[in-house]
Amino acid sequence: IAGITQAPTSQILAAGRRMTLRCTQDMRHNAMYWYRQDLGLGLRLIHYSNTAGTTGKGEVPDGYSVSRANTDDFPLTLASAVPSQTSVYFCASSRTDNTEAFFGQGTRLTVV
Amino acid sequence: GQNIDQPTEMTATEGAIVQINCTYQTSGFNGLFWYQQHAGEAPTFLSYNVLDGLEEKGRFSSFLSRSKGYSYLLLKELQMKDSASYLCAVRDSNYQLIWGAGTKLIIKP
Repeated sequence: IAGITQAPTSQILAAGRRMTLRCTQDMRHNAMYWYRQDLGLGLRLIHYSNTAGTTGKGEVPDGYSVSRANTDDFPLTLASAVPSQTSVYFCASSRTDNTEAFFGQGTRLTVV
Repeated sequence: GQNIDQPTEMTATEGAIVQINCTYQTSGFNGLFWYQQHAGEAPTFLSYNVLDGLEEKGRFSSFLSRSKGYSYLLLKELQMKDSASYLCAVRDSNYQLIWGAGTKLIIKP
């Protein structure tokens, strides 16, 4: 079944540790995104990539990094986790930067 | 700054009609999206408006007025499974999606 897959589904992480959230899509979409969703706030864009080999910063990029070595994969890395990074993280993709986005099932991350 | 406003929560009765409003102030406009998000799940695409007017898709319709910075999502013949959050998002001049906080819709029997 075509779609977008995130791993892990949930994680409890000690502060200061490094963590990579994985995201893979098999729809051959050009654009990919990482969002965080916190209670009472709208989805906030962390980083995005309009095509393989390029990335850009979103609204809340500090403390996060991404890479886009190929079309399918878009991992998000927290270099040194802090409690304020406790959130639900969604990866999404779209055919272009002007079409609807499809979301992964989310990763619930708790930093303690 | 950029801003998307939606009511935080609404309640409606099964079988009825509900209208969820969204007002926006963004730097440029390249389309407005509505998504549905059930608790604990990912958002799923419902509708897209880029021109003024009404787009109808089954029980769901979405309206846009660009001059007023306003959209609404209309849900007819409400079913219990429609209990979810409804997210309004606007694509700005940089083609980035700006999201509202969402409207939690509670359906009562």
